[in-house]
Amino acid sequence: DIQMTQSPSYVSASVGDRVTITCRASQGISSWLAWYQQKPGKAPKLLIYAASSLQSGVPSRFSGSGSGTDFSLTISSLQPEDFATYYCQQANSLPITFGQGTRLDIK
Amino acid sequence: EVQLVESGGGLVQPGRSLRLSCTGSGFTFGDFPMGWFRQAPGKGLEWVSFIRSRGYGGTIEYAASVKGRFLISRHDSISIAYLQMNSLKTEDTAVYYCTRVLEQQYCRGSNCSAPYYYGVDVWGQGTTVTVSS
Repeated sequence: DIQMTQSPSYVSASVGDRVTITCRASQGISSWLAWYQQKPGKAPKLLIYAASSLQSGVPSRFSGSGSGTDFSLTISSLQPEDFATYYCQQANSLPITFGQGTRLDIK
Repeated sequence: EVQLVESGGGLVQPGRSLRLSCTGSGFTFGDFPMGWFRQAPGKGLEWVSFIRSRGYGGTIEYAASVKGRFLISRHDSISIAYLQMNSLKTEDTAVYYCTRVLEQQYCRGSNCSAPYYYGVDVWGQGTTVTVSS
């Protein structure tokens, strides 16, 4: 199975800050990576697929990059509604696996 | 509005069975792969199972942790997917999400790659399954 490791596990930031979350795969996954946002008690929401493609309806302050084993999700200017937990997911091969999550809190 | 609604969760004893249902609306249900994911209390996301559309043979895949115990199926005429969960264990306790899956497959003539399930664009609200004596 492909292991996905996110860092940091927790980040505290302020509205307007630029935040970057990284995700590393245990083996190369080309660009088969997605990012999700999850708020407490809610289902996840797809933000980015194929490493850098923005899902329809997602604000342009979210962007993704990377290929192979190293990926990142950047939020260019944090908004109050962005405080949530973020997960990366590899789609290169089954079983689908997720990172452990990064919790983004308000400073 | 594209929507998925799960039902069927609840409290069940170890070793017993439970069937989850997922009703889709607002899209052509039969055109999409469908999947189930779960999230144990306070934990991260875990993939459970996929079923492809009939147009792609309705191929089924399971996570190792549920293979041989869970059965996924779909009835496209009524836009419902099911997850039959047998021989339940305490570690199956989780919120179960029904999902619409995005897939990509590459073909050269009649030779096609395995599908890439590159994202989950629609999630249900989740249904809670608690396995406890």
